[in-house]
Amino acid sequence: GAGVSQSPRYKVAKRGQDVALRCDPISGHVSLFWYQQALGQGPEFLTYFQNEAQLDKSGLPSDRFFAERPEGSVSTLKIQRTQQEDSAVYLCASSLGPQGDTQYFGPGTRLTVL
Amino acid sequence: GESVGLHLPTLSVQEGDNSIINCAYSNSASDYFIWYKQESGKGPQFIIDIRSNMDKRQGQRVTVLLNKTVKHLSLQIAATQPGDSAVYFCAERPDTGRRALTFGSGTRLQVQP
Repeated sequence: GAGVSQSPRYKVAKRGQDVALRCDPISGHVSLFWYQQALGQGPEFLTYFQNEAQLDKSGLPSDRFFAERPEGSVSTLKIQRTQQEDSAVYLCASSLGPQGDTQYFGPGTRLTVL
Repeated sequence: GESVGLHLPTLSVQEGDNSIINCAYSNSASDYFIWYKQESGKGPQFIIDIRSNMDKRQGQRVTVLLNKTVKHLSLQIAATQPGDSAVYFCAERPDTGRRALTFGSGTRLQVQP
């Protein structure tokens, strides 16, 4: 069956540009998560949606980061005025129920800011 | 593709041996734990999970052990295969009010043929 998909897989941006990263969760999954993974480290939580509601955005590093999931399915993570420190792999995960137990991850989007 | 875990602790085992990967977690209130496998250029892949009311859970070729007294989690892989080579992360859910996972720093498993 189809897993979590993300696009683009790779994104190169010049410093100051805005970027939008897309996540298609597993069909029917209520919970959706975004994580950021720096090279050589474990993923770090950014934000969480239950259906269309953003219930936790405590991990977003600055107000330049914005996420949405308007219809409770596809989600977009937007980063405005990108900085070099934003370079990382951005991972999306989804889980079936509202408890967010078993989270299934997509392949990630590798963002490089020059 | 990019390399996951350039400077991670590494466990090197011979093909066919059993592997044990250890993880210390931080929050005694964590109620749920999960192990992921990550290969270069890919997202974390679910292996096995365990709730805090259990101390052992078995899957296919894998066993997770939880010791809440010392806040320790381990992953045992039986008859390790070359395809098991990857970086392994443990993760905990520190707060049932939140859904976010907190990941450990990872261990690289290298399987020698």
